[in-house]
Amino acid sequence: SQKIEQNSEALNIQEGKTATLTCNYTNYSPAYLQWYRQDPGRGPVFLLLIRENEKEKRKERLKVTFDTTLKQSLFHITASQPADSATYLCALRDDKIIFGKGTRLHILP
Amino acid sequence: EAQVTQNPRYLITVTGKKLTVTCSQNMNHEYMSWYRQDPGLGLRQIYYSMNVEVTDKGDVPEGYKVSRKEKRNFPLILESPSPNQTSLYFCASSFGRGDTQYFGPGTRLTVL
Repeated sequence: SQKIEQNSEALNIQEGKTATLTCNYTNYSPAYLQWYRQDPGRGPVFLLLIRENEKEKRKERLKVTFDTTLKQSLFHITASQPADSATYLCALRDDKIIFGKGTRLHILP
Repeated sequence: EAQVTQNPRYLITVTGKKLTVTCSQNMNHEYMSWYRQDPGLGLRQIYYSMNVEVTDKGDVPEGYKVSRKEKRNFPLILESPSPNQTSLYFCASSFGRGDTQYFGPGTRLTVL
């Protein structure tokens, strides 16, 4: 069956450093991969989408890579700030959408 | 303001009492979806709809029904709720598969 895993339940990063989150998947060839941010008690907020034929996407301090051979996506936040602390979710998307369980990121001042 | 709205935001009910959670979007989106979020299990898709009168099962459809009679609304129906349907529910919408998905604020449901 389709499976999606995010490498860490929680990740602590010093302010100013680059945070890197990993998303791995199996038994699936999604057309799209998305990353979301979720704050406690709120709905997820879309951050970035990358298509299966794209290797990399950037938006301000965010960068996403997508390796369909390794079946892996990396999500980077550069120059991290305490305000970046949240849970980050990856999602595989075709007609259905499958979410990973998320990584809780803590940016330490 | 572009948004997805859900009602009610909080609901406590008893086993077997039919309920409906409404979802509405004002962005003319074709794709709408319902999710439930549980600790340790993450966000799981219940049902989705790619357009009016078109609905399909997600990963956890058992015990739920949906309808899409008009583009803006996508209600979630629990015909006979059970305690294992206690969860945080989110509705979401987007234009299509490759587009931004917008989430509603969530409905916290407790079934006693």
